[in-house]
Amino acid sequence: DSGVTQTPKHLITATGQRVTLRCSPRSGDLSVYWYQQSLDQGLQFLIHYYNGEERAKGNILERFSAQQFPDLHSELNLSSLELGDSALYFCASSGPLGTLAKNIQYFGAGTRLSVL
Amino acid sequence: DAKTTQPPSMDCAEGRAANLPCNHSTISGNEYVYWYRQIHSQGPQYIIHGLKNNETNEMASLIITEDRKSSTLILPHATLRDTAVYYCIVRVAAGANNLFFGTGTRLTVIP
Repeated sequence: DSGVTQTPKHLITATGQRVTLRCSPRSGDLSVYWYQQSLDQGLQFLIHYYNGEERAKGNILERFSAQQFPDLHSELNLSSLELGDSALYFCASSGPLGTLAKNIQYFGAGTRLSVL
Repeated sequence: DAKTTQPPSMDCAEGRAANLPCNHSTISGNEYVYWYRQIHSQGPQYIIHGLKNNETNEMASLIITEDRKSSTLILPHATLRDTAVYYCIVRVAAGANNLFFGTGTRLTVIP
């Protein structure tokens, strides 16, 4: 158990819909990262939040957004869903920035999104 | 961050040592080598990291060559549960915070 909790585990929805994925980081971790993994594809970085502030964006579509709340949990919002958005979505948390601990990321079990 | 090169796939007999190589010939002096693995459809899992000395923990050993241009992750007694994709990542403490996962090495442990 990594200590990172993601809900829901599975999500099935239709094209055009909007969904919200939730992530609770490990106790004490201020960073939350979101990654996307499409079928047979590598892990793609989407976005990073640190203590409530956005720190970096990767290959995140404009239809996607995220936020980190004061209790440090994070939500990834995916809207106007397309078939190609079907993927595994992982979140990870890590230790303080500017230290080696930030390179040791603990991943949740992921949310499998199926867009039909 | 330095680029890494790993073989796309490897097989290992159950109970034998699995030696997974990684080439990072452009590594700079302050970059560490990290290893992660991803068992099918699960979240990636941190394994070990090192700078220049060999490292060992309960999961694996990491051997880094003296010139630091390559490293080997060693799983001393591979089990079927070690079948996974293994990623070698080179990072510094500063700089970008997200991890870049390349294509990794798909290790298959054979009974």
